[in-house]
Amino acid sequence: AQTVTQSQPEMSVQEAETVTLSCTYDTSESDYYLFWYKQPPSRQMILVIRQEAYKQQNATENRFSVNFQKAAKSFSLKISDSQLGDAAMYFCAYRVETSGSRLTFGEGTQLTVNP
Amino acid sequence: GAVVSQHPSRVICKSGTSVKIECRSLDFQATTMFWYRQFPKQSLMLMATSNEGSKATYEQGVEKDKFLINHASLTLSTLTVTSAHPEDSSFYICSAERRGRGATNEKLFFGSGTQLSVL
Repeated sequence: AQTVTQSQPEMSVQEAETVTLSCTYDTSESDYYLFWYKQPPSRQMILVIRQEAYKQQNATENRFSVNFQKAAKSFSLKISDSQLGDAAMYFCAYRVETSGSRLTFGEGTQLTVNP
Repeated sequence: GAVVSQHPSRVICKSGTSVKIECRSLDFQATTMFWYRQFPKQSLMLMATSNEGSKATYEQGVEKDKFLINHASLTLSTLTVTSAHPEDSSFYICSAERRGRGATNEKLFFGSGTQLSVL
């Protein structure tokens, strides 16, 4: 079975600083996707960034970037120049292409941004 | 962008009553819809997967007679919590998989969730 582990239940960062959220996963599949979702207090799930496993280049979206280490099965999220609006619960998620859009989520990391 | 509407956003009901939650894809056809349950400060747990015109597939431990799922069209799936009890109180979220290609490569979109409180 595929599992996703986020070992940091809570993280905090000063505004304008950089923070890295950790995620590891376990799979025997070769074709899969990895995601980071943000869930603010509104509880709407917002896609932050996605990574295709076959791509060696790390995905980036503005201030958000990932460090994808396929051999180590690690997928960390780096948030640069943190803003107050980045405060939220962040979920790492995994999806196998052959299983459609069925997502497996990690436990989540609650990020606090201090002014 | 692709929009998934979930209704109601919040519902309070008495124990023993049934509650229906709707999940609609507003601007795309959804081949598959997923229903998740989320307890406070916890992750999303997949309850079931529904495909249009066929029976839903439930995850292990989810009572199919308690959580009735109907996916009658390519744009609508409903989750009915039957004979609700306080332990069913939770946040329920749907997601819809877009059929075909859209403007972006992403094909999965989430509703805004429903907070169910059973008294």
